[in-house]
Amino acid sequence: RKEVEQDPGPFNVPEGATVAFNCTYSNSASQSFFWYRQDCRKEPKLLMSVYSSGNEDGRFTAQLNRASQYISLLIRDSKLSDSATYLCAVREGFLGNTPLVFGKGTRLSVIA
Amino acid sequence: GAVVSQHPSWVICKSGTSVKIECRSLDFQATTMFWYRQFPKQSLMLMATSNEGSKATYEQGVEKDKFLINHASLTLSTLTVTSAHPEDSSFYICSARGGAFFGQGTRLTVV
Repeated sequence: RKEVEQDPGPFNVPEGATVAFNCTYSNSASQSFFWYRQDCRKEPKLLMSVYSSGNEDGRFTAQLNRASQYISLLIRDSKLSDSATYLCAVREGFLGNTPLVFGKGTRLSVIA
Repeated sequence: GAVVSQHPSWVICKSGTSVKIECRSLDFQATTMFWYRQFPKQSLMLMATSNEGSKATYEQGVEKDKFLINHASLTLSTLTVTSAHPEDSSFYICSARGGAFFGQGTRLTVV
């Protein structure tokens, strides 16, 4: 199965900082793109889908560059509660009957 | 709302025994369930895809005789780790609707 690559970190940032995560994927047939958040020993939780036009949800902004096969996540005004592992995921299809392929995740620690 | 309920959340078993993990879809029907495994500091790796009423599809390198998957109804998929060994210790998690819903995960420790 084609891969998804992420910088594993850890990223240690102070509260209020802006932090950016990058992800590259090798499968050019990928059609759907996501960022998940995973807390220690828990299931991943969907943070946001990623669209070519870019999308924003509060302090979180995601971007997709299909030509470069690159996905990014920007977190502004970091909070202590943002400390977690952020997983990039891609899927070949648009529908839920094809599986997600995950990156290894990037660990973020926000420090007071 | 729609939820995938997975249990047990953790289990410790002796080498050579078998462990069954269940995932139930609540309030929706899951014709497909994905089973993942995650080792410490590693990615969630797809093990197999279970389809209601048909045989599961296993990823390369995953032994189908060791990891038995059954998807007998539209709301229940099970993964049985047979003859478990310490190297099978991992976090196992199911997912429905292409990642829209995850079970809570099962932390398996084989001693």
